[in-house]
Amino acid sequence: EAQVTQNPRYLITVTGKKLTVTCSQNMNHEYMSWYRQDPGLGLRQIYYSMNVEVTDKGDVPEGYKVSRKEKRNFPLILESPSPNQTSLYFCASSRLGRTSGGGINTGELFFGEGSRLTVL
Amino acid sequence: EDQVTQSPEALRLQEGESSSLNCSYTVSGLRGLFWYRQDPGKGPEFLFTLYSAGEEKEKERLKATLTKKESFLHITAPKPEDSATYLCAVQDNAGNNRKLIWGLGTSLAVNP
Repeated sequence: EAQVTQNPRYLITVTGKKLTVTCSQNMNHEYMSWYRQDPGLGLRQIYYSMNVEVTDKGDVPEGYKVSRKEKRNFPLILESPSPNQTSLYFCASSRLGRTSGGGINTGELFFGEGSRLTVL
Repeated sequence: EDQVTQSPEALRLQEGESSSLNCSYTVSGLRGLFWYRQDPGKGPEFLFTLYSAGEEKEKERLKATLTKKESFLHITAPKPEDSATYLCAVQDNAGNNRKLIWGLGTSLAVNP
């Protein structure tokens, strides 16, 4: 079954205690991305990766790190979590498709089930 | 600045009562417009991609259409299982930016 798997699904932690949220996909997708979803703000991209060892910042990268050492895995690292990082996090992946106009499409995303993080 | 606005924020329908959700967008050049469905506590699920004005896509009771400024998600004779938040996103074709710009969604409730 095609899926994106995130762990943990729920986590309560304290300020400053490093944590990692893992993400793994089994579809051989080149593109992977992390989002956070907050009420009234919608989905905001944290980081994305176009392929192994290729990562770039999204809209809200501050306080987060990522790595892409293998194609299937894209962990999200919070080195020193703070309460403003309390949120619902989603990992997503897609293949890099070509549109009819020749552009690269990354919009048909497969999302994980989400990781609800609370930082006290 | 690229922007996506969805309306209404929330919609309550009776089973069988057809309606439409709106997604208005502003981008310098549209690479694609995407519709997703999100159930409570779950990740968004991809529904449709539209690339150019006039294009339409259908899936069961859902039909998505696209103009140069907006997209509509038409729901025909909805059932309670269609209750969810529907998200719209656009991808700009400017430069190397491949990110999606997301709307805040329309929360749809279908009463039996």
